[in-house]
Amino acid sequence: AQKVTQAQTEISVVEKEDVTLDCVYETRDTTYYLFWYKQPPSGELVFLIRRNSFDEQNEISGRYSWNFQKSTSSFNFTITASQVVDSAVYFCALSYSGGYQKVTFGTGTKLQVIP
Amino acid sequence: EPEVTQTPSHQVTQMGQEVILRCVPISNHLYFYWYRQILGQKVEFLVSFYNNEISEKSEIFDDQFSVERPDGSNFTLKIRSTKLEDSAMYFCASSETGLSQPQHFGDGTRLSIL
Repeated sequence: AQKVTQAQTEISVVEKEDVTLDCVYETRDTTYYLFWYKQPPSGELVFLIRRNSFDEQNEISGRYSWNFQKSTSSFNFTITASQVVDSAVYFCALSYSGGYQKVTFGTGTKLQVIP
Repeated sequence: EPEVTQTPSHQVTQMGQEVILRCVPISNHLYFYWYRQILGQKVEFLVSFYNNEISEKSEIFDDQFSVERPDGSNFTLKIRSTKLEDSAMYFCASSETGLSQPQHFGDGTRLSIL
């Protein structure tokens, strides 16, 4: 069975602080993809990143960075110098080779950045 | 940038009525999906659709639900005899091809059953 766990339900940080959102996944497949999506208060889902199971290289995109570690089945997301506009619910998600691209979402982490 | 578009943005329906949610996937995409998000909860997979047939569906997607691609651009989700617990945000998504491509989501349709 596929499962994504986001243990942090809500996080509050003060603007300009760094924050890391944790994601732990479970899958028996050797080929899979991990994602992060952002859901701002307006409700839409915004794709942030996709990572395949064969590429453990960390990625940085502006203030966002992702740390993928297969050894611990984790795919953590760090926002550097957080801004109020980063306030949203962030979902980690998983798709796998046997699932016709069905995406399994975690329960989300609500991030509140306080000015 | 191409987008997945969903209409309407908000649908209010009486319990027991049928509702059709509409989606226009990105034009060169081949895989289509519906997801549901009950307020405050996680996003749940309903169904995937490829080559004019359902490729996978979840246990949520029972006989009350159906999907259709009536023409070359639209992808619809029909919910028959709606129940109060069908109230949720419904997201349509599409992807180009294969496992390696990310799914792009529409802005969702908020369905409220009264």
